[in-house]
Amino acid sequence: SQELEQSPQSLIVQEGKNLTINCTSSKTLYGLYWYKQKYGEGLIFLMMLQKGGEEKSHEKITAKLDEKKQQSSLHITASQPSHAGIYLCGAELLNTGNQFYFGTGTSLTVIP
Amino acid sequence: EAGVAQSPRYKIIEKRQSVAFWCNPISGHATLYWYQQILGQGPKLLIQFQNNGVVDDSQLPKDRFSAERLKGVDSTLKIQPAKLEDSAVYLCASSPYLRGAGTGELFFGEGSRLTVL
Repeated sequence: SQELEQSPQSLIVQEGKNLTINCTSSKTLYGLYWYKQKYGEGLIFLMMLQKGGEEKSHEKITAKLDEKKQQSSLHITASQPSHAGIYLCGAELLNTGNQFYFGTGTSLTVIP
Repeated sequence: EAGVAQSPRYKIIEKRQSVAFWCNPISGHATLYWYQQILGQGPKLLIQFQNNGVVDDSQLPKDRFSAERLKGVDSTLKIQPAKLEDSAVYLCASSPYLRGAGTGELFFGEGSRLTVL
């Protein structure tokens, strides 16, 4: 079973369009992290959310945490080709011995 | 500040051969992780060290995988003998924090891509 599920699995959008990626946890979250990965490279940290209702933005990327639903969403406004890559959510989950889990990943393609 | 260093970046071996990956975390980082990322999937934790002690290795296939972190700094991950399904990217990450209660981000190396033929 997968502790963190992401949707959609893949996304192809036209440049300039908005998009949303979701991450849902099966267990209580301690903190929710968003990372971006380009093919063949390591993970780049985007942002961390810790409190229910928290919302953070970095350039055109905004992430929110819904603690009650154990969900986070990542929203990209006016997408650009530079946004292409794999987006991964990660979290420490309650009662897992402080393991850091990753979601299944969302592959984003932005068509110029 | 230097990032997490990993080597080799790429390795191609035949099944039943052995391979070793090396990781040098960011200086002073207490926690070190090895993840396995199979193409199209999210990273899966193999082993977690805090300083030179193992915190979690529950998902490490111990019949063929081993890892050590001598002196609480560098770490080596070994696979012996390799199987076809071990083809993946092996990611090393470090953190200055002792884990617990959302204590902060992980810093990743660029990964070591293993192909087993």
